[in-house]
Amino acid sequence: EPEVTQTPSHQVTQMGQEVILRCVPISNHLYFYWYRQILGQKVEFLVSFYNNEISEKSEIFDDQFSVERPDGSNFTLKIRSTKLEDSAMYFCASSDGTFNEQFFGPGTRLTVL
Amino acid sequence: AQSVTQLDSHVSVSEGTPVLLRCNYSSSYSPSLFWYVQHPNKGLQLLLKYTSAATLVKGINGFEAEFKKSETSFHLTKPSAHMSDAAEYFCVDGSGYALNFGKGTSLLVTP
Repeated sequence: EPEVTQTPSHQVTQMGQEVILRCVPISNHLYFYWYRQILGQKVEFLVSFYNNEISEKSEIFDDQFSVERPDGSNFTLKIRSTKLEDSAMYFCASSDGTFNEQFFGPGTRLTVL
Repeated sequence: AQSVTQLDSHVSVSEGTPVLLRCNYSSSYSPSLFWYVQHPNKGLQLLLKYTSAATLVKGINGFEAEFKKSETSFHLTKPSAHMSDAAEYFCVDGSGYALNFGKGTSLLVTP
């Protein structure tokens, strides 16, 4: 069964460093998303991406964040200068657009020291 | 904005007894609702979805949910809990451009 994959599973970085989180969505999906879950809190929407551009973003997704689909398979989230409060589990999801049903990857746990 | 409210942050059941996880939604039109499960240190797995085709929705692992418009509820049930059901469960509103997650219900299953 096709699935969304994410790398790395864990990332530890120093405050102020740039990180890139990688995702490979399900191959025939056209809609891509990033969510995050701070420890003990609910899952929050960051950004959606369709047709090679951002379609929606939340107030969390400020200028420190960017997304890219550099080739036909990968979808990346870049945090330019990490802050302590960026520590969270980051989930990638993809959808073929049917009923907004989204399939999630296993997540990347980001720890900012 | 559309939202969901999970009425219990923790639910504890004995193995073999029924499970009920409660969720209310607020939506001015027919919602798109999901239940996702997250096992410890794992990703989010779709359990079931409501898309207005049928009010009783069957999902994986024996879970069901019933959409009740009169009560604006979408409670998740299972007739008999198994130890492997212990996890975090999220009721999710998919009516908007992004999924809007509830705060989650942690299900504990005791022997």
